[in-house]
Amino acid sequence: NAGVTQTPKFQVLKTGQSMTLQCAQDMNHNSMYWYRQDPGMGLRLIYYSASEGTTDKGEVPNGYNVSRLNKREFSLRLESAAPSQTSVYFCASTPASGFYEQYFGPGTRLTVT
Amino acid sequence: KNEVEQSPQNLTAQEGEFITINCSYSVGISALHWLQQHPGGGIVSLFMLSSGKKKHGRLIATINIQEKHSSLHITASHPRDSAVYICAVDNTDKLIFGTGTRLQVFP
Repeated sequence: NAGVTQTPKFQVLKTGQSMTLQCAQDMNHNSMYWYRQDPGMGLRLIYYSASEGTTDKGEVPNGYNVSRLNKREFSLRLESAAPSQTSVYFCASTPASGFYEQYFGPGTRLTVT
Repeated sequence: KNEVEQSPQNLTAQEGEFITINCSYSVGISALHWLQQHPGGGIVSLFMLSSGKKKHGRLIATINIQEKHSSLHITASHPRDSAVYICAVDNTDKLIFGTGTRLQVFP
């Protein structure tokens, strides 16, 4: 099993450009999450999907949209990138919401200039 | 004030030393997670616990629900233990993360 995969690993965008970060898991997990990690701050939840067909906002959703394409895939879209969105983005999954450990992808390092 | 506080922020140790990292939280939780982030950036789950104590190899995690406090201990530390250790609490099925403790173990 590959676990949780993310593409791309690195990306540089100019302000105003758009892009989609891809995440896929092969563990048949129901719940998936997008986090961002910034220096000096803990991981913060952007959006999550408790199950296929549902998505909900997390702590910092502004400037982002998500799509739960199917049970395996959960994508994060930046419609008009801003320098404040420079961060490392992690996707994670769990069998279901609640008392389960989270499995993380390798991360995407995004720089917006 | 952050809902999840870790201490210390940075920790250096000599190989073989006993390490303790602390985590305090101020919200109700259903579980507490300890995660390890390697220098390359990958994050792995070490423990998930809701009471008592868990042990895996040289790692031990404890939690005191009444005091809202957890500790992660590393016995006989090794340079390969160098990483950032992150505490996270499960609050209404979403995780709230601490800022991490950076541990460096020198030979």
